Amino acid sequence: NAGVMQNPRHLVRRRGQEARLRCSPMKGHSHVYWYRQLPEEGLKFMVYLQKENIIDESGMPKERFSAEFPKEGPSILRIQQVVRGDSAAYFCASSPRSANYGYTFGSGTRLTVV
Amino acid sequence: DAKTTQPPSMDCAEGRAANLPCNHSTISGNEYVYWYRQIHSQGPQYIIHGLKNNETNEMASLIITEDRKSSTLILPHATLRDTAVYYCIVRVEGTDKLIFGTGTRLQVFP
Repeated sequence: NAGVMQNPRHLVRRRGQEARLRCSPMKGHSHVYWYRQLPEEGLKFMVYLQKENIIDESGMPKERFSAEFPKEGPSILRIQQVVRGDSAAYFCASSPRSANYGYTFGSGTRLTVV
Repeated sequence: DAKTTQPPSMDCAEGRAANLPCNHSTISGNEYVYWYRQIHSQGPQYIIHGLKNNETNEMASLIITEDRKSSTLILPHATLRDTAVYYCIVRVEGTDKLIFGTGTRLQVFP
């Protein structure tokens, strides 16, 4: 039973490029959550998705960031025109039905913008 | 904002019990208390969660006070590998998101 899979583990992008981060939830999990962790800081909630729906995007920056969780395939967090301040670890978590069951986190994608 | 308050850091001798406190005085009746930990820069690891009753699993025990305004995570025999940041979390009422606070940095020493 594979856990939450995130790829790539490390991603380097030049300023202005696009970054695409992928997250495959655990089998049977239909809820996906994205968090960002800046260096030496705590985890900040970004967005909560169910299949084909964005449920809560209150933590997403208003510009350049978007997320999707299509009917088929992984959830994608997309960052357009990356800037140095986007350098962080991005963690994805999944849960079976609701947060009452707790989340399972992936190992994260470390984005470095040069 | 996180609904929990934790001490920023604690030390524990290897082999001893580590007792990590958490205050959640504004918790609602149907909100669970969750504990996660993050070792270095790895993904957060689920430890335990509970509603009213004390809980125990292979990793830890969770003691919740009768009024539910605070709880304690107990690692019965801490090892060096338990050195991590421990997060106590209460789900935001009416939502499915868990808001992480600053946690407690537990240092287990030999």
